[in-house]
Amino acid sequence: DTEVTQTPKHLVMGMTNKKSLKCEQHMGHRAMYWYKQKAKKPPELMFVYSYEKLSINESVPSRFSPECPNSSLLNLHLHALQPEDSALYLCASSQERDRYSNEKLFFGSGTQLSVL
Amino acid sequence: AQKITQTQPGMFVQEKEAVTLDCTYDTSDPSYGLFWYKQPSSGEMIFLIYQGSYDQQNATEGRYSLNFQKARKSANLVISASQLGDSAMYFCAMRTNQAGTALIFGKGTTLSVSS
Repeated sequence: DTEVTQTPKHLVMGMTNKKSLKCEQHMGHRAMYWYKQKAKKPPELMFVYSYEKLSINESVPSRFSPECPNSSLLNLHLHALQPEDSALYLCASSQERDRYSNEKLFFGSGTQLSVL
Repeated sequence: AQKITQTQPGMFVQEKEAVTLDCTYDTSDPSYGLFWYKQPSSGEMIFLIYQGSYDQQNATEGRYSLNFQKARKSANLVISASQLGDSAMYFCAMRTNQAGTALIFGKGTTLSVSS
């Protein structure tokens, strides 16, 4: 199983809603990532979990709250979002061995989020 | 500073022709990896090919090959015998041991294949 599964595929929410994005992998990977991607732009790193601990937070607003319940699951909780937060949210995972430079990231197919 | 540069916003090619997508990189870390990903309109980022900084040979994966010129700091992707399904956004990316877990992306190149 070499998949990263993201749900839901599409999400429309109002600015006062609370919703969650989910990501799952069963490859035994120990690093998991959230990226935000606007149309025709490269992905921007938001958060990295390494061995279930938050290791990178790229100054993301607090209305985005990540959670890593176990090594296979990654959630992104959304609250009071703004219309400019509308984007494709990609989850990824990697093995996290000693050398990072030769490890590829496996990506999910993303959640397309629209904030009204 | 670590940086990836893709200077071609869009490329057009006919079916069955070969196409080269350009990528240059900058890093002071001697240990780095270069990756190419394909992103169709469906959104998924699909890994295509990897080249390590110490690899002596250029990487190849089926119709994809990487033209790695270390002295020029370039890692161009060559797609041979283009197919309509190759139409997508292509991203060059880099990981270094210094930067740790971050995958640094270029701005991407949109490839359009016509029949």
